[in-house]
Amino acid sequence: KNEVEQSPQNLTAQEGEFITINCSYSVGISALHWLQQHPGGGIVSLFMLSSGKKKHGRLIATINIQEKHSSLHITASHPRDSAVYICAVLMNRDDKIIFGKGTRLHILP
Amino acid sequence: DAGVIQSPRHEVTEMGQEVTLRCKPISGHDYLFWYRQTMMRGLELLIYFNNNVPIDDSGMPEDRFSAKMPNASFSTLKIQPSEPRDSAVYFCASGLSGGAVDTQYFGPGTRLTVL
Repeated sequence: KNEVEQSPQNLTAQEGEFITINCSYSVGISALHWLQQHPGGGIVSLFMLSSGKKKHGRLIATINIQEKHSSLHITASHPRDSAVYICAVLMNRDDKIIFGKGTRLHILP
Repeated sequence: DAGVIQSPRHEVTEMGQEVTLRCKPISGHDYLFWYRQTMMRGLELLIYFNNNVPIDDSGMPEDRFSAKMPNASFSTLKIQPSEPRDSAVYFCASGLSGGAVDTQYFGPGTRLTVL
């Protein structure tokens, strides 16, 4: 079993829909990171979380340390949100970084 | 600032050849990361530096891979000899103190193809 699991693996939605991408992990972490990889391959850092919730524009990230779970939400989704979203955790036992396999999001106009 | 700069953007080489990938981090950043991305394994951290010192190289796949950071503005990832299974996109990222997954700024990547 992977230490970081993302769901769903693939998601197709209509423009305007509310999107939720999930990340669950099985190890103790000190922080969690959400990354966005565009179809052209470029990677952008979205959020770094260690507790609670962060918001940036239409993006919201939450983390529940007790449940070992984080969610990335996109409100009023737009075709330009189409990308792969990757969750990464920093393990608190040895500072190693582990990545999820990513969620491929496709927003239809 | 121009952001993280990687070169070359694309590299095609033959098995057995030496490959050197280069990265210039954002000025003032004290962390530098090398990642590899493949379809099979996704994104993997290979090695990261703090203040030019390698902190964790446990992700480096084998002795054929080596990374250096001779100064704060330059790092290399070298593969010698290269093999077809090394074909991947290699990303460099830089960041500021505060934690190894603090906001990182990624370069555009180098797409390596080993024939």
